[in-house]
Amino acid sequence: QVQLQESGPGPVKPSETLTLTCSVSGYSISSGYYWGWIRQSPRLGLEWIGTIFHNGNTYYNPSLKGRVFISVDTSKNQFSLNLTSVTAADTAVYYCARRAGGSGSYFAPWGRGTLVTVSS
Amino acid sequence: SYVLTQPPSVSVAPGQTARITCGGSSIGSESVHWYQQRPGQAPAVVIIFDSDRPSGIPERFSGSKSENTATLTISRVDAGDEADYFCQVWDGNLYVFGSGTKVNVL
Repeated sequence: QVQLQESGPGPVKPSETLTLTCSVSGYSISSGYYWGWIRQSPRLGLEWIGTIFHNGNTYYNPSLKGRVFISVDTSKNQFSLNLTSVTAADTAVYYCARRAGGSGSYFAPWGRGTLVTVSS
Repeated sequence: SYVLTQPPSVSVAPGQTARITCGGSSIGSESVHWYQQRPGQAPAVVIIFDSDRPSGIPERFSGSKSENTATLTISRVDAGDEADYFCQVWDGNLYVFGSGTKVNVL
């Protein structure tokens, strides 16, 4: 059974970089599938951030392009999110998830999510 | 950017049928997926590719699509169905989620 778990350092100050890691268990990232980050806030609802393949191939939400970088570490079976120059608008619950199937597909399963608060 | 429109809330009595709509200008040409999110939990799929049910999802959940509107139907609603429901598509450029519909079981 595939399970995902987000982890991160907690609160982030404005203008700093938000870094989160998703640890995957029950499935080897190297075996396939795309892996993604999605966030949820009262202001924007559910917002897709970006997706990565085990070979490092990525694509990002155009609205965040330039601030977002997603990487994968197959040796640790993890993938990570870096979001630079954060503001209060980046305060949200951040989820990692596996994308099932091709580009028109859905996300399952999801991690439990981690709340990131941007505040000075 | 592409927008998926959902009603903010739907209220339904136990045993009745809830219908949740998701409107989008090109939904007819895209696969629509539906998620259920209970309070404090992550979203979980209940309908995939317009009308397929993932393993473990009750037959009470069904999906349909017509022109620019997709519909999630929950039959014989019970208290456990009270949650937020979101639709999702891939618009060719990014994954888009609907604004969500809260199902209130009266």
